Amino acid sequence: GQQVMQIPQYQHVQEGEDFTTYCNSSTTLSNIQWYKQRPGGHPVFLIQLVKSGEVKKQKRLTFQFGEAKKNSSLHITATQTTDVGTYFCAGRGNTPLVFGKGTRLSVIA
Amino acid sequence: EPEVTQTPSHQVTQMGQEVILRCVPISNHLYFYWYRQILGQKVEFLVSFYNNEISEKSEIFDDQFSVERPDGSNFTLKIRSTKLEDSAMYFCASSLSTGLNEKLFFGSGTQLSVL
Repeated sequence: GQQVMQIPQYQHVQEGEDFTTYCNSSTTLSNIQWYKQRPGGHPVFLIQLVKSGEVKKQKRLTFQFGEAKKNSSLHITATQTTDVGTYFCAGRGNTPLVFGKGTRLSVIA
Repeated sequence: EPEVTQTPSHQVTQMGQEVILRCVPISNHLYFYWYRQILGQKVEFLVSFYNNEISEKSEIFDDQFSVERPDGSNFTLKIRSTKLEDSAMYFCASSLSTGLNEKLFFGSGTQLSVL
């Protein structure tokens, strides 16, 4: 079945450094979504990407969807302590929404 | 902002017992989901529900699991005979649509502990 792989599993950064997490699917996706889960919390929707090569920005967050619609990335510029949490990509092909294992981001002040 | 509510927040049960996890999706949403997350691991799809029937289910969702929308507001997940490996955080989610404008809203979860 469809698999969504995400790297790295953990990332520790100093406040102010940039952060990137990468997501790869074993199959072509119709769309990819990104969610953030704070420690002890539940996943919260960040964004959906649908088009090949699409780039979307939300303040310091930049999301990209690959040309082949099989990979995606989330880049955070100048991390802040409020960015702490686990970032999940979730891809939909001809399947239910499948989540990656997430990247847990720690930000050291 | 409207939210998905789940009860109870914690459930402790003995192996072999039945549990029912309850969810109230956002009122105008049409698609309902159950996911689970074992501590520190990924969010795993269990089942999706639309128009009063299951639309998709995963391999995890075997005969021990069932879902129901008993009235216009509640959406429940029943595990008939719990196993130790069912211990996890169970998240209910709902969305208004799928496809291009899909956006899942998750509840705060029910932490299920099977002893």
